[in-house]
Amino acid sequence: NAGVTQTPKFQVLKTGQSMTLQCAQDMNHNSMYWYRQDPGMGLRLIYYSASEGTTDKGEVPNGYNVSRLNKREFSLRLESAAPSQTSVYFCASGIELTAREPQHFGDGTRLSIL
Amino acid sequence: AQSVSQHNHHVILSEAASLELGCNYSYGGTVNLFWYVQYPGQHLQLLLKYFSGDPLVKGIKGFEAEFIKSKFSFNLRKPSVQWSDTAEYFCAVNARAAGNKLTFGGGTRVLVKP
Repeated sequence: NAGVTQTPKFQVLKTGQSMTLQCAQDMNHNSMYWYRQDPGMGLRLIYYSASEGTTDKGEVPNGYNVSRLNKREFSLRLESAAPSQTSVYFCASGIELTAREPQHFGDGTRLSIL
Repeated sequence: AQSVSQHNHHVILSEAASLELGCNYSYGGTVNLFWYVQYPGQHLQLLLKYFSGDPLVKGIKGFEAEFIKSKFSFNLRKPSVQWSDTAEYFCAVNARAAGNKLTFGGGTRVLVKP
């Protein structure tokens, strides 16, 4: 059972470079999420997708874009990386946005911007 | 701003000691409450959840949490911790008032000394 798979696991970028973080889930979930985790701040929602074909901003969307490619895949793009985007990024999926069931998380991507 | 607060950022205790981690939220109305745990180098895993019914919920690994509606609290407890409980613990709230998106507290790092 793969669950939620994120790639890459680690990445170092220079300021101004771009990259895309990939996320795929095999649980037939409708909703998918991108969070960033910073010390003392818990996880903060960047963007989410309630269903295939829809995306919405979360708490901290600036500097990011997302694509819900299909039901399984939800990518996060940094167009011009900044040191403030150094963080650990987690993708998650859930049955439905309004569901009571918990979200399932990937293993995270540790991203450093120099 | 509506939020989820975890009172302790760091907790250090010895094996067999009791653990209680505080969590308060500020959302009114219907809420679904979760505690997640993140072991070193791993992704978030669900410890327990509360939707309705008995306000004392039991989770995995001997953890339990009590929902006190009048205090907007959902504190996590374990009577006797083990070294393997060393981890970061996150309280999270899914509230209709927040658009059904999951909001995390800042996390509490727990170190259990053998």
